[in-house]
Amino acid sequence: DVVMTQSPLSLPVTLGQPASISCRSSQSLVYSDGNTYLNWFQQRPGQSPRRLIYKASNRDSGVPDRFSGSGSGTDFTLKISRVEAEDVGIYYCMQGTHWPPTFGQGTKVEIK
Amino acid sequence: QVQLQQWGAGLLKPSETLSLTCAVDGGSFSAYYWSWVRQPPVKGLEWIGEINHSGTTNYNPSLKSRVTISVDTSKNQFSLKLSYVTAADTAVYYCARGSHGDGMDVWGQGTTVTVSS
Repeated sequence: DVVMTQSPLSLPVTLGQPASISCRSSQSLVYSDGNTYLNWFQQRPGQSPRRLIYKASNRDSGVPDRFSGSGSGTDFTLKISRVEAEDVGIYYCMQGTHWPPTFGQGTKVEIK
Repeated sequence: QVQLQQWGAGLLKPSETLSLTCAVDGGSFSAYYWSWVRQPPVKGLEWIGEINHSGTTNYNPSLKSRVTISVDTSKNQFSLKLSYVTAADTAVYYCARGSHGDGMDVWGQGTTVTVSS
């Protein structure tokens, strides 16, 4: 299985400051159709996961534009331009290029 | 607005069969794949499998021998069965809209399943 490695696993952030989460895959996530199936999910405490980003850089409807996804091949990043209190939670990357789909371990974002 | 409502037994004994159902309210049932994902206590997410309206399924190889996902298009529902459960299957189980490629964009509320003798 493709291993998804996130860093850091814990990310204390000051309100209003930027945050960045890295996700690296053990194989390239470029599929034969040319797409890169790398997704980002947010899981707030006590809630179900919520997709933020699909195909590495496409923001879901309703997701604030302070969230952005970038990267290619095996190296991806989720950035929050200015962290707000509602951004507290665990963030997961997930690859859908290789079988079976696999998730990263999660990065816990908390307010300092 | 699409909503997913899931239900099923929350406490099982080892070797029993886990059974969960997810009802889709709103949107097009036939236009999407429908998935199951689980989250063991204090752990990350694990993709279980997916199904479309015509019954085409894809399963995680790690669970394939024990998993069955089925669909009832007359009720806009899909179901998960996991046989011969053990304590390792204790988790919150989520149903969701979407497939393994682009991930899942709508999620159910989650069902906590505990396996204990």
